[in-house]
Amino acid sequence: EVKVVESGGTQVKPGGSLRLSCATSGFFFRDFGMNWVRQAPGKGLEWVSYISTSSTFIYYADSVKGRFTISRDDANDLVYLQLSSLRADDTAIYYCARRHPETPYGMDVWGQGTTVTVS
Amino acid sequence: SDELTQPPSVSVSPGQTATILCSGDALPQQYVYWYQQRPGQAPLLLIYKDTERASGIPERFSGSTSGTEVTLTISGVQAEDEATYFCQSADRSGAYRLFGGGTRLTVL
Repeated sequence: EVKVVESGGTQVKPGGSLRLSCATSGFFFRDFGMNWVRQAPGKGLEWVSYISTSSTFIYYADSVKGRFTISRDDANDLVYLQLSSLRADDTAIYYCARRHPETPYGMDVWGQGTTVTVS
Repeated sequence: SDELTQPPSVSVSPGQTATILCSGDALPQQYVYWYQQRPGQAPLLLIYKDTERASGIPERFSGSTSGTEVTLTISGVQAEDEATYFCQSADRSGAYRLFGGGTRLTVL
């Protein structure tokens, strides 16, 4: 079964840091780009970051640029999101999503999310 | 900057057809993807590359495109289709992924 599972979400104080992890299974991880997408309480989806295969291309939303860092560990099929200088408006469910193999930007496999509360 | 615009809500009776619009200036250059999100659940990919149905998605879900507008059509709406639907694309550079604000579908 193709699966991604996020972890690491917790409550943190403003200005604090946190690292989220996304464990993947059921597919050849190093062949896929990966995304982080977040959803604030009662709001829509907001794309956060993307990392390509071999970490060749890395992109961030303007709202997190300079504060968040995406990385991947191909040996262990993991993708990370390091969050720093956290603000109240970073409070959200953070989803890990696999890039659809047949498309440049679609996301075909999503985890159930991990919750970050900045308070 | 490139943005995607969706109506906040759409209502339809069971068995009828629901159409959900998504507009954006970059859409003629970039593919659109559609996701369904039920309360408390993760998003589910429905449509990719404007018109292709994702694996396991019923045929009643279809996508179409016309210039700066794309449409998700749900034919023969069922109660289980009540959810929020998001369109997604990328900006003209391809660096930024974009989501529309979401459309809440209510089945009357």
